[in-house]
Amino acid sequence: EVQLVESGGGLVQPGGSLRLSCAASGFTFSSYWMSWVRQAPGKGLEWVANIKQDGSEKYYVDSVKGRFTISRDNAKNSLYLQMNSLRAEDTAVYYCARQDDYGDYADYWGQGTLVTVSS
Amino acid sequence: SYELTQPPSVSVSPGQTARITCSGDALPKQYAYWYQQKPGQAPVLVIYKDSERPSGIPERFSGSSSGTTVTLTISGVQAEDEADYYCQSADSSGTSPVVFGGGTKLTVL
Repeated sequence: EVQLVESGGGLVQPGGSLRLSCAASGFTFSSYWMSWVRQAPGKGLEWVANIKQDGSEKYYVDSVKGRFTISRDNAKNSLYLQMNSLRAEDTAVYYCARQDDYGDYADYWGQGTLVTVSS
Repeated sequence: SYELTQPPSVSVSPGQTARITCSGDALPKQYAYWYQQKPGQAPVLVIYKDSERPSGIPERFSGSSSGTTVTLTISGVQAEDEADYYCQSADSSGTSPVVFGGGTKLTVL
């Protein structure tokens, strides 16, 4: 059974940093693109970043470029999102998602972790 | 930036057919995908590559594509289908590999 479990969310002040983790199990982690998708309270889904199987390609939504970094450790079956210079508008539930072989769509999602940026 | 446009809401009675549209200039060249999200839950993929249905998704869910519009059709709507539905595709210019529509709230009357 595919399982994705996010952790690392919480309350952080504007300008602060946070690192999200996603523990994957039930599939060969190194064979799939992986993504982070967020959802602000009461709003729609917004793709944040994704990363290729070997980490050689990474893509970001414009609003987080230069502030967020996606990474993965295939030996630990783990996905990460380092978030720096956080802003109030980054407040959201962050989902970890497994993508298909080409990074086109997400076929499995975690339950999400809430990040709140507030003073 | 590239946008996918969905109606904010659709309402149908139980047993009727619901159609949710998604429009985008790149849709003739890029596949579309559909997700269902119920309150407090993570999204679930219900349609991929315009019209393919993942295993475990009921046959009443189907997808189609015509020009710059893709459509999610739910035949014989049930109360449990009440949810938010999001389309997703890619920006063919390559600047954004994943783009979501704004979402459509399906209400079962």
